[in-house]
Amino acid sequence: AQSVSQHNHHVILSEAASLELGCNYSYGGTVNLFWYVQYPGQHLQLLLKYFSGDPLVKGIKGFEAEFIKSKFSFNLRKPSVQWSDTAEYFCAVSNYGGATNKLIFGTGTLLAVQP
Amino acid sequence: DGGITQSPKYLFRKEGQNVTLSCEQNLNHDAMYWYRQDPGQGLRLIYYSQIVNDFQKGDIAEGYSVSREKKESFPLTVTSAQKNPTAFYLCASSIHDRGRRGYTFGSGTRLTVV
Repeated sequence: AQSVSQHNHHVILSEAASLELGCNYSYGGTVNLFWYVQYPGQHLQLLLKYFSGDPLVKGIKGFEAEFIKSKFSFNLRKPSVQWSDTAEYFCAVSNYGGATNKLIFGTGTLLAVQP
Repeated sequence: DGGITQSPKYLFRKEGQNVTLSCEQNLNHDAMYWYRQDPGQGLRLIYYSQIVNDFQKGDIAEGYSVSREKKESFPLTVTSAQKNPTAFYLCASSIHDRGRRGYTFGSGTRLTVV
């Protein structure tokens, strides 16, 4: 069965620090990969996604992620975080071309950015 | 604007009572989903529906029921058989596109059993 692991449960950074959140998945086939963000009191929003092409994808608000197929990883990065990046971040995977679009989510990483 | 509407935002239920959470979308999406979010556990799939009058169990369907009588609506009933119903419930929808676009999410319903 598919699964998604996010190893960092809580991350605390100061403003302007660099961010990297880990995401590993287990699935032998072709996958679609996503990062979602949930700001305090708001609904889940799509940050970025990958399904084919350039493995380095850029999303909103200066975030990017790199798909490394050999490592089954899709880590999220941002060179310089801001206080407004404080949120919970979820990695998710679905089976490309599968019968459903069912998304499997990781357990989330809570990021707190200190001003 | 198109989107997903979940109501109510907050819901309180007494033990032993069933309660129904509403989810409506005007995006013309075929598929709809219900997830449960608990601290430290991420989002877990309860039920999903790919087409009207059809739905499938997700990973944690026990104690829940759904219906899909209309394309726009996918209500979730939390029954008295659900042993730990206090949680944040999220509804989502998507089109059938090999999973490329991901989901659109509603703003959620926070259910508390008192």
